[in-house]
Amino acid sequence: NAGVTQTPKFQVLKTGQSMTLQCAQDMNHNSMYWYRQDPGMGLRLIYYSASEGTTDKGEVPNGYNVSRLNKREFSLRLESAAPSQTSVYFCASSERQGVAYEQYFGPGTRLTVT
Amino acid sequence: QKEVEQNSGPLSVPEGAIASLNCTYSDRGSQSFFWYRQYSGKSPELIMFIYSNGDKEDGRFTAQLNKASQYVSLLIRDSQPSDSATYLCAVIPSGFQKLVFGTGTRLLVSP
Repeated sequence: NAGVTQTPKFQVLKTGQSMTLQCAQDMNHNSMYWYRQDPGMGLRLIYYSASEGTTDKGEVPNGYNVSRLNKREFSLRLESAAPSQTSVYFCASSERQGVAYEQYFGPGTRLTVT
Repeated sequence: QKEVEQNSGPLSVPEGAIASLNCTYSDRGSQSFFWYRQYSGKSPELIMFIYSNGDKEDGRFTAQLNKASQYVSLLIRDSQPSDSATYLCAVIPSGFQKLVFGTGTRLLVSP
């Protein structure tokens, strides 16, 4: 059981370049999430997918797009990278049953935009 | 007002002491509360969750929830240097299926 995996682990982009961050989970969870984490700002939700076929904006969606490819995979795309998108990106997955809810995180992608 | 507030710290405690980490939240209808531990350069790791008022114990960790006062706390007994990390409080606001995180409290346990 790998849990939540993310690729790549590190990436350096120039302003204006595009890239896709990949995320996959093998826990058969319905819900998946993309966060960014910046110093002093905590974890902020970019987009989430409550179930296969649905996606919704989170707190900071501007400059990003997502695709829920299937139940396992949820990708995050930066169409035209900006220095403000330099951050650590975490993917997470969860399965909610009533009030019981546990969210598991991938190892993260450290992105630098120059 | 932020939805979930934590003191950023650092909170410094000597080895063997009790570390007390606090979190307040703004949505009175929130039902689910979580504590994550994050080591430097690593991803958040779930260590405790609590849904009902009162205390929940798991080994050296105790989560305490007081919905009337809208706070949740985490006590770490017999603190060890390996407990040094940032502790993130997270809440599911009413009507949502997503977590809202605080900015975290950095804990330093000195030998």
